[in-house]
Amino acid sequence: GAGVSQTPSNKVTEKGKYVELRCDPISGHTALYWYRQSLGQGPEFLIYFQGTGAADDSGLPNDRFFAVRPEGSVSTLKIQRTERGDSAVYLCASSPLRDSLGTGELFFGEGSRLTVL
Amino acid sequence: AQSVTQLDSQVPVFEEAPVELRCNYSSSVSVYLFWYVQYPNQGLQLLLKYLSGSTLVESINGFEAEFNKSQTSFHLRKPSVHISDTAEYFCAVSDRNSGGYQKVTFGTGTKLQVIP
Repeated sequence: GAGVSQTPSNKVTEKGKYVELRCDPISGHTALYWYRQSLGQGPEFLIYFQGTGAADDSGLPNDRFFAVRPEGSVSTLKIQRTERGDSAVYLCASSPLRDSLGTGELFFGEGSRLTVL
Repeated sequence: AQSVTQLDSQVPVFEEAPVELRCNYSSSVSVYLFWYVQYPNQGLQLLLKYLSGSTLVESINGFEAEFNKSQTSFHLRKPSVHISDTAEYFCAVSDRNSGGYQKVTFGTGTKLQVIP
């Protein structure tokens, strides 16, 4: 498709379970971001990939959260031992970097809503 | 570290009335500034951006924002709103000196509700 695709759109799980959220960025976009949006809040940065490598993972809240992008395209956000506080909408965005500074424009998917019971 | 403040969580306004959504930022370095919009049941999308040059930037649907460095503000305005403008608006900032990568920091959003 033309836009950023995220699956699943909704995920309900029980406390303590493992969850994977998938992001398929716009073709050709080298930069990929994960954000988390809790109720009443703006998107909160989690991690940024440039190609296959995580260039900045300073936003990951703890070691239960991990993300990969093995081939430089699709990315998976993995959450272990989920807690009720992990409930949020997880947003993926991609961006082309056209020059050494880029433009900062992010193209967002519609998000994956995670509910931990 | 950067931060963005959107003091108004909700702004109700009558159709065809003007509106201003406020945004203030803090950063120790020069910045790029953005407004993103999220329509009901849709993903975030870029509305307009300030990168350099003219401090007044416009969107294709009649919104404008002005970068004011002395007041560290980037307020969003529209002279006459339509029902279709009902959405949540997020102000965002990124650091100019990120070496080819922009970590974009978002505000908490303002819900614009246009009343018929």
